[in-house]
Amino acid sequence: QVQLVQSGAEVKKPGSSLKVSCKASGGTFSTSAISWVRQAPGQGLEWMGGIIPIFGTTNYAQKFQGRVTITTDESTSTAYMELNSLRSEDTAVYYCASLTMTTVTTGDPYYYYAMDVWGQGTTVTVSS
Amino acid sequence: EIVLTQSPATLSLSPGERATLSCRASQSVSSFLAWYQQKPGQAPRLLIYDASNRATGIPARFSGSGSGTDFTLTISSLEPEDFAVYYCQQRNNWPTFGQGTRLEIK
Repeated sequence: QVQLVQSGAEVKKPGSSLKVSCKASGGTFSTSAISWVRQAPGQGLEWMGGIIPIFGTTNYAQKFQGRVTITTDESTSTAYMELNSLRSEDTAVYYCASLTMTTVTTGDPYYYYAMDVWGQGTTVTVSS
Repeated sequence: EIVLTQSPATLSLSPGERATLSCRASQSVSSFLAWYQQKPGQAPRLLIYDASNRATGIPARFSGSGSGTDFTLTISSLEPEDFAVYYCQQRNNWPTFGQGTRLEIK
């Protein structure tokens, strides 16, 4: 059974950058689809973007285009989400999540869906 | 972008009652709709995918239905642990989530 373990809580200054990691174990990392989803305090879920390691494809929500970069290190089965130019509105819990019950066969963004495994979340506070 | 609208925003029911939650899409998503449950301080948990398929380990009291633009999550008889926030998600075009329905104890 795949498990996703994320890096710890962060406190950042406005204008700085953030990089959160998500380490996978117990499954086939390269053939999965990893999404990053965030949740501002008291708010709903927001898909930010994702990556399909075996095809090297990344997809980003339009809202975050140009500000977010998602990468992987397949040697350590770890995905990373980097968010630049942080502002107070980026204060949120950031989750990585994966669809593991289906084998990914294309780099299609359709796989950022029905995410059955989630990381524990990383709390990020942006404050001066 | 496909907008998912969930209703009601809050649903107040008692244990043992039946819960019916709605998710409406701004355009057809075929059957590609998933439901998640989220409890305070926890990550979301996948309940239903492709409108009506229960994810592994999900109790039979949870069921999903619908296609096109209108979907329903039904909990046949509420257990105390079912009181939580529920989100729908679609996969056509780019993934989006609904704003959530809070299911609270009456």
